[in-house]
Amino acid sequence: ETGVTQTPRHLVMGMTNKKSLKCEQHLGHNAMYWYKQSAKKPLELMFVYSLEERVENNSVPSRFSPECPNSSHLFLHLHTLQPEDSALYLCASSQDSGTQYFGPGTRLLVL
Amino acid sequence: GQNIDQPTEMTATEGAIVQINCTYQTSGFNGLFWYQQHAGEAPTFLSYNVLDGLEEKGRFSSFLSRSKGYSYLLLKELQMKDSASYLCAVRALTGANNLFFGTGTRLTVIP
Repeated sequence: ETGVTQTPRHLVMGMTNKKSLKCEQHLGHNAMYWYKQSAKKPLELMFVYSLEERVENNSVPSRFSPECPNSSHLFLHLHTLQPEDSALYLCASSQDSGTQYFGPGTRLLVL
Repeated sequence: GQNIDQPTEMTATEGAIVQINCTYQTSGFNGLFWYQQHAGEAPTFLSYNVLDGLEEKGRFSSFLSRSKGYSYLLLKELQMKDSASYLCAVRALTGANNLFFGTGTRLTVIP
């Protein structure tokens, strides 16, 4: 299944680093999502983009900055993260309010 | 608010049938999804229920009772490859196609 791809798959960064996560969907969808998945916790919705406009920001700290340059691409820019931000970051896409399809995620470790 | 509960872990034998329950309390309901997630991989869509009753799809079936805030995923003729986490997610009436997830049920299939 290569409908939604994410890079990198693994990332280790220090608290002072700046990095970006990339998501690309090949399904022709018009909505994209960022989720955070921590051990033993439910998936948490972070951001929603619909038609390239941010329509949801779920009280996410400003050290996470999303960008959606077009309907196929979604970025999550990271800066001055904390160790508790270590998690699996999942991207998903959907057509309107339909079923969401997920990418494989980026496993992030903040040292 | 939203509250989705499902068992943390289950074990079942190859060839058997297993039922994974999910109970939910939401401020507005617009459908329930089940996803399968193998370790280190993307959650993959299994089923969707918005009306009461049973939806069957091959070896997998999903049931919904809106009045009871209850769903289950039924897996028949279990195979070793069915060992995975199963995520229950409820879509809210408000928000931008927001999904609220349970913590997931880790199913282990033993020979």
